[in-house]
Amino acid sequence: NAGVTQTPKFQVLKTGQSMTLQCAQDMNHNSMYWYRQDPGMGLRLIYYSASEGTTDKGEVPNGYNVSRLNKREFSLRLESAAPSQTSVYFCASRQGGSGANVLTFGAGSRLTVL
Amino acid sequence: QQPVQSPQAVILREGEDAVINCSSSKALYSVHWYRQKHGEAPVFLMILLKGGEQKGHEKISASFNEKKQQSSLYLTASQLSYSGTYFCGTEVQAGTALIFGKGTTLSVSS
Repeated sequence: NAGVTQTPKFQVLKTGQSMTLQCAQDMNHNSMYWYRQDPGMGLRLIYYSASEGTTDKGEVPNGYNVSRLNKREFSLRLESAAPSQTSVYFCASRQGGSGANVLTFGAGSRLTVL
Repeated sequence: QQPVQSPQAVILREGEDAVINCSSSKALYSVHWYRQKHGEAPVFLMILLKGGEQKGHEKISASFNEKKQQSSLYLTASQLSYSGTYFCGTEVQAGTALIFGKGTTLSVSS
């Protein structure tokens, strides 16, 4: 099925470990996003990429890095995981630019940092 | 800056109506509405653009007051399947990112 694919779905890390969350979309979308979701906080934007070759910080970028590898793929890296980064992470994509562009979400990646 | 949603939670019986509000302190290009069920990803409901264009599901209605930077989502004759958390997302300029509110939890019982 067409859509946004995130890997892994679940991950447990120890404090200080590093990991990369992978995201790929097959809808030929220009823009891709990473959000984190914590209870009572809604969806908070970490980083986004409006088009291939560009990335911008969102609301909560500290502790994260991103790479827009190509038009399809947008990865999120935690260099030194902290318990405060325990969360559900959603990747999303849309066509971008002007107009009524629907945001399509991946299924989410649940990360626990001990 | 996150848009503000109200109320935080709504409890309904089947067939009742509800309104969920979203307001921003900034001038907006668009407002998006999504619904999320427990353990799932958010799903698109409606987009409202500055200038009046709308796109969304037939059974969903919403408004966007550009002067007040406010949007409302109208849920009429609620069904059990309407239960979930509703998020509004706002965009200040075309092509930038959506910033979401904290959500409104809707519970519909029979």
